[in-house]
Amino acid sequence: QKEVEQDPGPLSVPEGAIVSLNCTYSNSAFQYFMWYRQYSRKGPELLMYTYSSGNKEDGRFTAQVDKSSKYISLFIRDSQPSDSATYLCAMSDSGGSNYKLTFGKGTLLTVNP
Amino acid sequence: GAGVSQTPSNKVTEKGKYVELRCDPISGHTALYWYRQSLGQGPEFLIYFQGTGAADDSGLPNDRFFAVRPEGSVSTLKIQRTERGDSAVYLCASSLNVQNYGYTFGSGTRLTVV
Repeated sequence: QKEVEQDPGPLSVPEGAIVSLNCTYSNSAFQYFMWYRQYSRKGPELLMYTYSSGNKEDGRFTAQVDKSSKYISLFIRDSQPSDSATYLCAMSDSGGSNYKLTFGKGTLLTVNP
Repeated sequence: GAGVSQTPSNKVTEKGKYVELRCDPISGHTALYWYRQSLGQGPEFLIYFQGTGAADDSGLPNDRFFAVRPEGSVSTLKIQRTERGDSAVYLCASSLNVQNYGYTFGSGTRLTVV
């Protein structure tokens, strides 16, 4: 079993839909949780960053972390065609190697106009 | 520069050849990271530099892989005796200091070993 599991999709939704993306993980040492967006043939770019449990909102994006269930989510409201990309969850622990990110496989999202 | 620059963007090489992949980080960023992204997978950590030294090379898969950063800015990832399994996108990232949230990734070098 991989440390981080993420359904690769693909996920196809109509414009304006609410999108829910999620990851599960097995390493209880993970304390930092991130969501990256990766367009085709580009590097990942950071969307959301959360420490420990809780919710964080930024515009149309909301990140949730439930450490008791080892489950994280990203919600996208009012999805736009420009949101079409691969979404990667990433995590790291709080120790001296917290720079080392462990990524999920990524979920490919298409938002149809 | 404005972002992390990686060259070449694409590299096709024959099995058994030696390749070098270059990363030019954001000016002033002291921390530099290499990741490898295989098809359909998320990036996997390879190595982290703080300044000129490799602070953590635990992700390098074997001794065919080596990376340097001699002057604390540009880094080169070197792969000897390439194998078809080395085919992947090699991503470089940099950050102002060592941290897990301030990474800026480059667009990567797509390596194909034939």
